[in-house]
Amino acid sequence: EAGVAQSPRYKIIEKRQSVAFWCNPISGHATLYWYQQILGQGPKLLIQFQNNGVVDDSQLPKDRFSAERLKGVDSTLKIQPAKLEDSAVYLCASSYGSNPYGYTFGSGTRLTVV
Amino acid sequence: AQKVTQAQTEISVVEKEDVTLDCVYETRDTTYYLFWYKQPPSGELVFLIRRNSFDEQNEISGRYSWNFQKSTSSFNFTITASQVVDSAVYFCALSEASSGNTGKLIFGQGTTLQVKP
Repeated sequence: EAGVAQSPRYKIIEKRQSVAFWCNPISGHATLYWYQQILGQGPKLLIQFQNNGVVDDSQLPKDRFSAERLKGVDSTLKIQPAKLEDSAVYLCASSYGSNPYGYTFGSGTRLTVV
Repeated sequence: AQKVTQAQTEISVVEKEDVTLDCVYETRDTTYYLFWYKQPPSGELVFLIRRNSFDEQNEISGRYSWNFQKSTSSFNFTITASQVVDSAVYFCALSEASSGNTGKLIFGQGTTLQVKP
């Protein structure tokens, strides 16, 4: 079984630029999550999708972050404009449903904002 | 309010020593899940164990063991006879069932374990 695919692996941008991350979940997983992991901290949930609908985006900074999951499969997370404090690893995960079974994380995208 | 606390920021041991990583959680839910993940330098989160709140039985898997105590809201992780390959950041996490959505994981700050040869 293929894992959760994320790209790019690394990204360096200047502040105020925009950036997008892509995630392809495990086939058949209806639920997709984006987490932000700042250096030295645990991951924090940004947004959760069930198929192509949003379940929880309470911690997503909506003034600069946006995410979509068209057709209920892969997903894109965008930051526009980026700030220095957005430097982090962005982890995508997927699971069968909105439960903790079969929960699998991707390798993440490391974003550096300079 | 839900919260996970890993008070140990960094632990350093010599190979073959036993080491225990502490995790204390807070939740008002009676149904919840607890997890441990390993994050090696490569960055991916590797699932180690999931426990539901109704199962307080301790678990052993090879050199790994977990002690779940609801009375103290703790879910501690012990590595016996540590090896250099165990060096990583370890995270404890909680998910609650109250909203019907147990998919959201709340992570602790992590404990960095360094095992020296």
